[in-house]
Amino acid sequence: DAKTTQPTSMDCAEGRAANLPCNHSTISGNEYVYWYRQIHSQGPQYIIHGLKNNETNEMASLIITEDRKSSTLILPHATLRDTAVYYCIVRPLYQKVTFGTGTKLQVIP
Amino acid sequence: DVKVTQSSRYLVKRTGEKVFLECVQDMDHENMFWYRQDPGLGLRLIYFSYDVKMKEKGDIPEGYSVSREKKERFSLILESASTNQTSMYLCASSQGTVNTGELFFGEGSRLTVL
Repeated sequence: DAKTTQPTSMDCAEGRAANLPCNHSTISGNEYVYWYRQIHSQGPQYIIHGLKNNETNEMASLIITEDRKSSTLILPHATLRDTAVYYCIVRPLYQKVTFGTGTKLQVIP
Repeated sequence: DVKVTQSSRYLVKRTGEKVFLECVQDMDHENMFWYRQDPGLGLRLIYFSYDVKMKEKGDIPEGYSVSREKKERFSLILESASTNQTSMYLCASSQGTVNTGELFFGEGSRLTVL
């Protein structure tokens, strides 16, 4: 299974863009990159996913490098409510979905 | 609205007790998952199921078993609870049989084993 590597923690000033990196150098051609976030005491919540192309939705943008070995989640205007743990996962073909320890994002007023 | 419901938010059990954690989803999803979450260790996959009566081991299946008799229900069983199974347990479900489909999580069940 492809593994992901994320920084343990990051800070971001409120109102600024938060850029969360993820390394997935062993990703296979048919594996999707998914991002979730977990706010304290709640179950993880889906944010966005992609295969090759960059993706955007109402919550965030996902930038995937051309070689697909890394990606960046962008929260364009971080708010205090975006303080959470963010998980980058690679979705394998046979449904064993493994999370790592994620990045703890602290948005600072 | 999609919903994954875990039967108990908080449980306290004694060492050696048999514990059942129930999870029900109302989205007709094929796939269901059980994770445990511990400080500093992230979410770790215990078992998952991609169809009724089917189950697959995750990364940490030891000390656990599961049951999926109906599509909407996935039960996690601790045959003889131990203190090192004190944790937050999260259930999730997803649509589809290939590698797409977002996971929907329940609120979690916090189990304390004394």
